Amino acid sequence: AQSVTQLGSHVSVSEGALVLLRCNYSSSVPPYLFWYVQYPNQGLQLLLKYTTGATLVKGINGFEAEFKKSETSFHLTKPSAHMSDAAEYFCAVRSGGSNYKLTFGKGTLLTVNP
Amino acid sequence: DTGVSQDPRHKITKRGQNVTFRCDPISEHNRLYWYRQTLGQGPEFLTYFQNEAQLEKSRLLSDRFSAERPKGSFSTLEIQRTEQGDSAMYLCASSLGTGGHHEQFFGPGTRLTVL
Repeated sequence: AQSVTQLGSHVSVSEGALVLLRCNYSSSVPPYLFWYVQYPNQGLQLLLKYTTGATLVKGINGFEAEFKKSETSFHLTKPSAHMSDAAEYFCAVRSGGSNYKLTFGKGTLLTVNP
Repeated sequence: DTGVSQDPRHKITKRGQNVTFRCDPISEHNRLYWYRQTLGQGPEFLTYFQNEAQLEKSRLLSDRFSAERPKGSFSTLEIQRTEQGDSAMYLCASSLGTGGHHEQFFGPGTRLTVL
């Protein structure tokens, strides 16, 4: 079985500050990992993904995440927050092989203060 | 690229009524997924199709729920005898099933309110 834990349901940062959203996963096989962003009343947009290869992955809007197998983590970072980053962020895992469903965490609401 | 579309965007119904939602995936995508998202939670997997075949169903998908993808293109999700607990956002996603692609592209969702 696969699962995702996002630590912190709400993170608040100042504009220009570092953004760090935490994600830990559980998977019985090497996972595929994803971060999605959701703006109010909209669907989910993919920020970045890890499948194989380089463990530091870069995504859209200046976000990046590092896959750390030993820590079963896939934390999302951005060096400098912008007001437009305010949204809900979801980490998701797919266990690979013929298992195509995504298992999501409960989400982290990011607030950016001016 | 028109993206994944869903119709309607909002549906308000009375308890006991039947509702049907439609999802149109990205045209070349052969996999289609349904998820449900309740307030304050992440999306939860309901079911998935590869072409017209429904290959996996979650235990969340009770007997009152049925999904179809008759020609391997659009899909419908029907909920019979709706209950207040069915109130949620229903999300559809699609993906390309070849070439190692893993991304699921999501539609805007259908928000269901059961009164």
